[in-house]
Amino acid sequence: GAVVSQHPSRVICKSGTSVKIECRSLDFQATTMFWYRQFPKQSLMLMATSNEGSKATYEQGVEKDKFLINHASLTLSTLTVTSAHPEDSSFYICSASSLYPGTQYFGPGTRLTVL
Amino acid sequence: EDQVTQSPEALRLQEGESSSLNCSYTVSGLRGLFWYRQDPGKGPEFLFTLYSAGEEKEKERLKATLTKKESFLHITAPKPEDSATYLCAVQLMDSNYQLIWGAGTKLIIKP
Repeated sequence: GAVVSQHPSRVICKSGTSVKIECRSLDFQATTMFWYRQFPKQSLMLMATSNEGSKATYEQGVEKDKFLINHASLTLSTLTVTSAHPEDSSFYICSASSLYPGTQYFGPGTRLTVL
Repeated sequence: EDQVTQSPEALRLQEGESSSLNCSYTVSGLRGLFWYRQDPGKGPEFLFTLYSAGEEKEKERLKATLTKKESFLHITAPKPEDSATYLCAVQLMDSNYQLIWGAGTKLIIKP
């Protein structure tokens, strides 16, 4: 139980293009989903929190117009990196949790490389 | 300020050599403390949640304990496949279920 999928697992794109990453909770309804970014040999950095049907709450320093988050259903959230640049290259990971017990279950991550 | 500190940063053990990883925390109000395992290039894998001081949980060679100031992840007779980074995180009351993360302990088990 508590499986979260992410797609794609890897993406390479040209500078200036937009990339969409999907996060799905496969066997439970996720009232809250989280998006993280992780740099090599560093811990997870929370980018934003989204509740189903509501606008996402972004952490300080994260550009909401650049990282668009949609949480349209209890099983799907998407992160769109708009006008990607090389500095956006990173490992993006989503997690999903239900109201109780509030444990976050993580997807396998997406490696984004912007050329 | 709410803070989570993990030690050591890295730990090298021989196969079968038991040890413990530490997670100390300073938070305003603890809802739960979480342990995850992360392999390179993958998302964290959930291991345990602890909610109150004195609570203990076990899974195979791992045992997690919690006090009012810290948590320990004890690993008994580890195998090379236990090599990974172990992450500790705390969830605060009234926090929309966000986690405050420690920096992790990289565990290497040599055969």
